[in-house]
Amino acid sequence: EVQLVESGGGLVQPGGSLRLSCAASGFTFSSYSMNWVRQAPGKGLEWVSYISSSSSTIYYADSVKGRFTISRDNAKNSLYLQMNSLRDEDTAVYYCASEIVGACFDYWGQGTLVTVSS
Amino acid sequence: EIVLTQSPGTLSLSPGERATLSCRASQSVSSSYLAWYQQKPGQAPRLLIYGASSRATGIPDRFSGSGSGTDFTLTISRLEPEDFAVYYCQQYGSSPFGGGTKVEIK
Repeated sequence: EVQLVESGGGLVQPGGSLRLSCAASGFTFSSYSMNWVRQAPGKGLEWVSYISSSSSTIYYADSVKGRFTISRDNAKNSLYLQMNSLRDEDTAVYYCASEIVGACFDYWGQGTLVTVSS
Repeated sequence: EIVLTQSPGTLSLSPGERATLSCRASQSVSSSYLAWYQQKPGQAPRLLIYGASSRATGIPDRFSGSGSGTDFTLTISRLEPEDFAVYYCQQYGSSPFGGGTKVEIK
């Protein structure tokens, strides 16, 4: 059974940093691309970042480019999102999502809440 | 950037009724990259349909997807109580998600 479990969320002040993690199990993590998607309170889904299986290809949404860094450790079956220079508008539930089937986000974690507030 | 517009914003229906949700793209998109997701309050999104018309694992056959070019449709043939939720379309790879359609109990 595919499982994705996010952690690392919490309350942080504007300008601060946070590192999210996503632990994957139940599939060959090293073979598949991964993504981070976020959802602000009461709002829709916003794709944040993509990383290919070998980390050779990485993309970011314009809203986080230059502030967030996606990475993965295939030996640890883990995905990460380093978030720097956080803003109020980064407040959201952050989900990791896999691309096992391809061309879609087929499995999602339960999400971790990031709150940016002074 | 391709913009996906979902309509209606809210659909009020009764259990047993048919639901038809629309997703319109600002320019032609590949059907291979069109997906639909369901999200219930407090839960993560769940993949329903990928490649415009292929059901994801474990998705009941009352859910079906169709369309091509700029117009795509998610149909729920007979609404079950557990189907009342928000539905999002997505053009994988090149655009954000659509704004969502909430299917609520009438």
